[in-house]
Amino acid sequence: ETGVTQTPRHLVMGMTNKKSLKCEQHLGHNAMYWYKQSAKKPLELMFVYSLEERVENNSVPSRFSPECPNSSHLFLHLHTLQPEDSALYLCASSPSAGDYEQYFGPGTRLTVT
Amino acid sequence: GNSVTQMEGPVTLSEEAFLTINCTYTATGYPSLFWYVQYPGEGLQLLLKATKADDKGSNKGFEATYRKETTSFHLEKGSVQVSDSAVYFCALSDHGTGRRALTFGSGTRLQVQP
Repeated sequence: ETGVTQTPRHLVMGMTNKKSLKCEQHLGHNAMYWYKQSAKKPLELMFVYSLEERVENNSVPSRFSPECPNSSHLFLHLHTLQPEDSALYLCASSPSAGDYEQYFGPGTRLTVT
Repeated sequence: GNSVTQMEGPVTLSEEAFLTINCTYTATGYPSLFWYVQYPGEGLQLLLKATKADDKGSNKGFEATYRKETTSFHLEKGSVQVSDSAVYFCALSDHGTGRRALTFGSGTRLQVQP
C-alpha cells in the first residue's frame, strides 16, 4: 500500500452504536489530520496530530474521540452520533504540521441513521 | 485570521473551453498556496502549489500564479476535458502564524460537457 489509506470506505451506524474509523499513512510523515466534509459546507478541520501529540482540536464534540498510537496510524472513535454527523471524513498527512502540502486519503462516507 | 474565498459554482463549460476559477486570500503571515482537486467519490489530491510571490504552479495543463499584490491565486486551464469535472479547492498554509493546518476555500464544482 502506498499513500494514505482509510477504512472502512463506507459506514452506516445507528445513533447508539460505537464504531471507529482508521487511517494509515505510508509516507513517513510526522503530522496527521482529521477533516469533516459535509454537503455544501467548507472542509472543516477537526484534529491535528504532530509526532503522536494532539496539537489542535477545533471545538469538536466529545462524541468524536481521536487516537494516534504512532505516527503512521490515526483513529477516530465514534459514539452516540447524531444524524447531522453524517459526512465524508477525510484523513490527511504531511511531513510536519502546517508547513507543507497535505496528502489525503479517499475518505470514509459515514451515514448516521 | 486566515481565509480563502473562491467563486461559487457550479462552473459549467463545454469541452476545450478556457477555464478560470478565482481564488483570493487573507493571511497574516507569508502563506504557501495550493490548489486541490476532488474527483467524484474520492479524497482531495494536490494539483499544484506556489510557495512565494510570483511563483507559478503548474500540473496537468493547469496553472496558477501567486499574486501578492492582489492576494490572488486564480486557477486556469487553456482547454478543459470532460475528465476535469471535479471540485477544486484553493488553500493556504500560513508559515507566519504557527497554525498547524491548511485553510481551505469552500470549493468550486466544475462540470465539463462533451
